[in-house]
Amino acid sequence: QKEVEQNSGPLSVPEGAIASLNCTYSDRGSQSFFWYRQYSGKSPELIMSIYSNGDKEDGRFTAQLNKASQYVSLLIRDSQPSDSATYLCAGGSQGNLIFGKGTKLSVKP
Amino acid sequence: NAGVMQNPRHLVRRRGQEARLRCSPMKGHSHVYWYRQLPEEGLKFMVYLQKENIIDESGMPKERFSAEFPKEGPSILRIQQVVRGDSAAYFCASSPSFAGGSGEQFFGPGTRLTVL
Repeated sequence: QKEVEQNSGPLSVPEGAIASLNCTYSDRGSQSFFWYRQYSGKSPELIMSIYSNGDKEDGRFTAQLNKASQYVSLLIRDSQPSDSATYLCAGGSQGNLIFGKGTKLSVKP
Repeated sequence: NAGVMQNPRHLVRRRGQEARLRCSPMKGHSHVYWYRQLPEEGLKFMVYLQKENIIDESGMPKERFSAEFPKEGPSILRIQQVVRGDSAAYFCASSPSFAGGSGEQFFGPGTRLTVL
């Protein structure tokens, strides 16, 4: 059974802090990894993609991938209340993405 | 540049009726994926299609569900003889042609299906 595991949270951080979100995956064949943000009642919005080991930065977001440990993380710097949402980690190959159940992030003003 | 479009946004059906969900991918995208999200559950892959081809339907229930992506027109997810357990949000995603199946997937707004 291919799985992606995330801590469901809620993760609460103060405004301006760094939010750290983590996930692990079971399928060693997974080649592509993604972080999506989903507001309540809305569709997932792609934030980051990462395909190789190491860090990838885009604005306030940094994704990290460690294939040996089967671990993916997302750091959000200078967290804003508008970042409050559920963050979905996904991994896969050949189009079949396996999603975690998401981590709910709450950024307090 | 229009994103992924889905219609209808909300669909109400009675048990036993058919539901047809439509998805038009982003311009330049020829890969389409369907996912289902049950309340308080994660997104579950259903099917991956390219024009006129089903690439991977490993997540589709064996009965009552079918999908197509014709040469012309939107992709269609069809659910026959709906049951209450089919009530969910159905999302379509698309990815660029050059990326194959491993590219970034961009989601449409979803169709919320309610079965009475």
